[in-house]
Amino acid sequence: DQQVKQNSPSLSVQEGRISILNCDYTNSMFDYFLWYKKYPAEGPTFLISISSIKDKNEDGRFTVFLNKSAKHLSLHIVPSQPGDSAVYFCAAVEGAQKLVFGQGTRLTINP
Amino acid sequence: DTEVTQTPKHLVMGMTNKKSLKCEQHMGHRAMYWYKQKAKKPPELMFVYSYEKLSINESVPSRFSPECPNSSLLNLHLHALQPEDSALYLCASSPSGLAGVGEQFFGPGTRLTVL
Repeated sequence: DQQVKQNSPSLSVQEGRISILNCDYTNSMFDYFLWYKKYPAEGPTFLISISSIKDKNEDGRFTVFLNKSAKHLSLHIVPSQPGDSAVYFCAAVEGAQKLVFGQGTRLTINP
Repeated sequence: DTEVTQTPKHLVMGMTNKKSLKCEQHMGHRAMYWYKQKAKKPPELMFVYSYEKLSINESVPSRFSPECPNSSLLNLHLHALQPEDSALYLCASSPSGLAGVGEQFFGPGTRLTVL
């Protein structure tokens, strides 16, 4: 049973517009979430995180929103740039040391 | 030095071979991880070492044997693998051993093919 779900396998966005990537989780014990970005032939790179005591965290062009009641988080990228084209993974911390990843969303930014 | 290095980048092995994957970090991180990633799937945790001791084994078959000789080095010894073990093997480290406190830093991975 998948505890972290990214229901959109792919997303295509025009350069300069907003990209919104979504993630849902089922385990109400999760209290810390992270977004990773992965280019082909590279390991995932940490982007931004959020604790369950917050509902928003912002870092430059990246903002993560958390809706605990809906068990939903989203990553907003604005403005989107061609270099943002990658696979984005949502992850939740389980216990003290385990990351549970979603299936990933492939984001393509079109010029 | 703010990176996790992994060697080799690519490895092809037969089912009767013995090989090892190596991971190194010099960031002073006290937790290190092995993940397996199949194509179009998310990374799946295999092992966690915290302060050089194995703290999590996600029911990984014994043909995979991890080793943490010191706080900077993590090995994964492979023996009698199956073709379905072909995947990208990712190493990661995190500062305090608590994934919730700081993010995990990933290496580029070793692409393993078992013939």
